Amino acid sequence: GESVGLHLPTLSVQEGDNSIINCAYSNSASDYFIWYKQESGKGPQFIIDIRSNMDKRQGQRVTVLLNKTVKHLSLQIAATQPGDSAVYFCAEKNQAGTALIFGKGTTLSVSS
Amino acid sequence: NAGVMQNPRHLVRRRGQEARLRCSPMKGHSHVYWYRQLPEEGLKFMVYLQKENIIDESGMPKERFSAEFPKEGPSILRIQQVVRGDSAAYFCASSPGTGSNTEAFFGQGTRLTVV
Repeated sequence: GESVGLHLPTLSVQEGDNSIINCAYSNSASDYFIWYKQESGKGPQFIIDIRSNMDKRQGQRVTVLLNKTVKHLSLQIAATQPGDSAVYFCAEKNQAGTALIFGKGTTLSVSS
Repeated sequence: NAGVMQNPRHLVRRRGQEARLRCSPMKGHSHVYWYRQLPEEGLKFMVYLQKENIIDESGMPKERFSAEFPKEGPSILRIQQVVRGDSAAYFCASSPGTGSNTEAFFGQGTRLTVV
């Protein structure tokens, strides 16, 4: 079946450290993945996406890595800041291509 | 350029009442998705609509829930005869298309509380 999950429910880092948030997916046919950031009381905010024909994609302070062999996705945040504290979700398109399937999320806590 | 607009932001209903949640997609977007989020959980897909059409409602409960996206006006998620288990945050997202590489943008959500 389709499912997306994250390895750790929480991650605590110090300001300035690099953060790595992991995600495993089950649908080997998935061809599109997105990372979202959700702050308390707000809707998910698009961070970065990656297509299955890529292994890596970089944005501003963020990098997404895709390993199709083991069906693993990761989000790397460089020089983590207190404003990065939020819940991070990975999501993949469902088999029909009509919706995003979300994992449960990783709560990132950044301390000064 | 306004983002996805949802209203109300907070909605309180007594058991048995009806709840209507509204979503105006981003300008130029004709595809709308509704998701439900329980506390400490991820978002669960409910329904995907295009103008005047329901494309995928595989995540919608079979009873009491309905959705529409009329030619004019916002998309509406309607919950009839609400029960306490309906209490959740309901998010709407929109996209310009459904290509496999199309990102969806989310609204701020409506937090429904059933008392």
